[in-house]
Amino acid sequence: AQSVAQPEDQVNVAEGNPLTVKCTYSVSGNPYLFWYVQYPNRGLQFLLKYITGDNLVKGSYGFEAEFNKSQTSFHLKKPSALVSDSALYFCAVRATRTGANNLFFGTGTRLTVIP
Amino acid sequence: DTGVSQNPRHKITKRGQNVTFRCDPISEHNRLYWYRQTLGQGPEFLTYFQNEAQLEKSRLLSDRFSAERPKGSFSTLEIQRTEQGDSAMYLCASSFGGLEKLFFGSGTQLSVL
Repeated sequence: AQSVAQPEDQVNVAEGNPLTVKCTYSVSGNPYLFWYVQYPNRGLQFLLKYITGDNLVKGSYGFEAEFNKSQTSFHLKKPSALVSDSALYFCAVRATRTGANNLFFGTGTRLTVIP
Repeated sequence: DTGVSQNPRHKITKRGQNVTFRCDPISEHNRLYWYRQTLGQGPEFLTYFQNEAQLEKSRLLSDRFSAERPKGSFSTLEIQRTEQGDSAMYLCASSFGGLEKLFFGSGTQLSVL
């Protein structure tokens, strides 16, 4: 079985400050991890992924995520938040069943960047 | 814009009626996915096509749900005898080759009265 948990429903951060959106995962085997963002009235957009390799993954719009195997975490980070980063963020993990081709998403974290 | 297109954007129906949604993926994408999202939850996988073949279905996809992708292009998702619990946002996504990067449409919001 596999799952992801996003422990915070809401994160508020001041513009210009660093932001972190937390995600922990549970999988058997090597995890394939993703972050997606959902803006109002728009579809989910891919931000970044971890498949293998460097633990620090860089993605779109200046976001990055750090894979930590010992803590089973994949937190999303950005050094300096913008008001336009305000959105709903989803962490996801690939199903580990052989031949599976679907993602399991967390419940989402709403990020609000305060001007 | 040549992204994933879903129609209609909104659908209101009465319980017991049938509804059909359409998804037009990005043209060169061979994989197409349907997800369902309810308020406060993340998207939940429903089914997946590679070209015209439906290769995987979630247990969430009851017998009242059917999806097709004729000719490996657009896809339709039909819900028969709708129930209030079917009210949700239905999302379509497409990709080329795998799960590495999904492109999502804006979704169809279904309300069953």
